[in-house]
Parts: sequence; C-alpha cells; structure tokens
Amino acid sequence: DSGVTQTPKHLITATGQRVTLRCSPRSGDLSVYWYQQSLDQGLQFLIQYYNGEERAKGNILERFSAQQFPDLHSELNLSSLELGDSALYFCASSVGTSEQYFGPGTRLTVT
Amino acid sequence: KNEVEQSPQNLTAQEGEFITINCSYSVGISALHWLQQHPGGGIVSLFMLSSGKKKHGRLIATINIQEKHSSLHITASHPRDSAVYICAVPYKETSGSRLTFGEGTQLTVNP
Repeated sequence: DSGVTQTPKHLITATGQRVTLRCSPRSGDLSVYWYQQSLDQGLQFLIQYYNGEERAKGNILERFSAQQFPDLHSELNLSSLELGDSALYFCASSVGTSEQYFGPGTRLTVT
Repeated sequence: KNEVEQSPQNLTAQEGEFITINCSYSVGISALHWLQQHPGGGIVSLFMLSSGKKKHGRLIATINIQEKHSSLHITASHPRDSAVYICAVPYKETSGSRLTFGEGTQLTVNP
C-alpha cells in the first residue's frame, strides 16, 4: 500500500459526459501528479500541483482540468468525454523531488 | 525518437534465470526511476537512483549517468516477477519532477 488513495476504482460512462476523479496523497506529500495510461500512448504526464498551486502541465486536453484543495487532495475533471479518453488514470504524490508513490488508479471506460 | 528507450519490449524467461532490462535516455536527469506494473494495473516504485547501484532483495538497479543508461536485473527469477517494468526519468524542477516513461518491458517468467 503506497498510502495514495484514488476513487473511484472503476468508472463507466457515456460519451459527452463529465466525470471527476479524486486523489488523496500520502500524508505530508505536497506534490500531486496526474498521469494517463492508454493502450496506444502508454503512460503520459498530465498535470502537477504543489501545495495547492499548478506547477507543471503536460499533454492535458483543454476538456480536462484539475485542482488541489487546501487539505492537499486533488481532483481531475474530465468533460465532454470521448471514446479515446478511456484509460487508466493514476495520481502520484511526492515530497519535493523525491520518489513518487502511485495510487491504484482509476479505470475509465467511455462507451 | 522517445526520450526514454527500453529494451527488450517483451521478455520470456524460465524460473531461476537472470534477467536484464535496459533503459537509455537522452535528457539530463537528476535521478531515474524503475517501476513495476502488476497485471491488475497497480504501479509500484522499485528504485529511484542517481548514481551507482541499488539492491533490494533479488532486484538490482544500476545507472551510468555519463552514458545515460540504466539496467534492472532480477536474479533467480520467479513467476511472481511477471509484470511490466517501466523506466522513467524526471525533469529537473524546483519542486518535484514530473516523469517521462519508457514504453515498458513485459516480463513473463514461466515455472
């Protein structure tokens, strides 16, 4: 158990819908990263938050947004969902530049 | 060309064999990560190393910063080692380092 929790574990929804994925980092970790793993693209960095502020952005679509709350949990919002958004979404947390600890992932299926 | 290249992509071994997975990268890094992804999807951080060698049980990771190359070795392989092994490199940033991932090596160890 990495100490990082993600909910829900599985999510099945229809095209055009909006979903919210939630991540709680390890106690004391200020950085939260979101990654997407799809069959054709592999693991890709989406966005990073550090102590409530957006710190880095990767290949994140405009339909996607995220935030980190004062209690350091983070949410990834995916809207106007398309079939191609079906993927595993991981969050990870770390203290500064140290090792990253991954959550169990949320498997999103868009039908 | 990907910034992180792994080889081989697929590897099948017999129980007890010595396994080597290689990773080459093209960017300057502060440290390199080896991750293990289980068939169920969960990702576990195995090593984060910036120089030399690290050992944990039957796993050994080495890195040569000058040659931009790292290897992951598994001694006395076992069927439970079957998983995808992923090499990842961070970018130097002041507050955490998002990761860029290799495509992974699918390891199957047969009894």
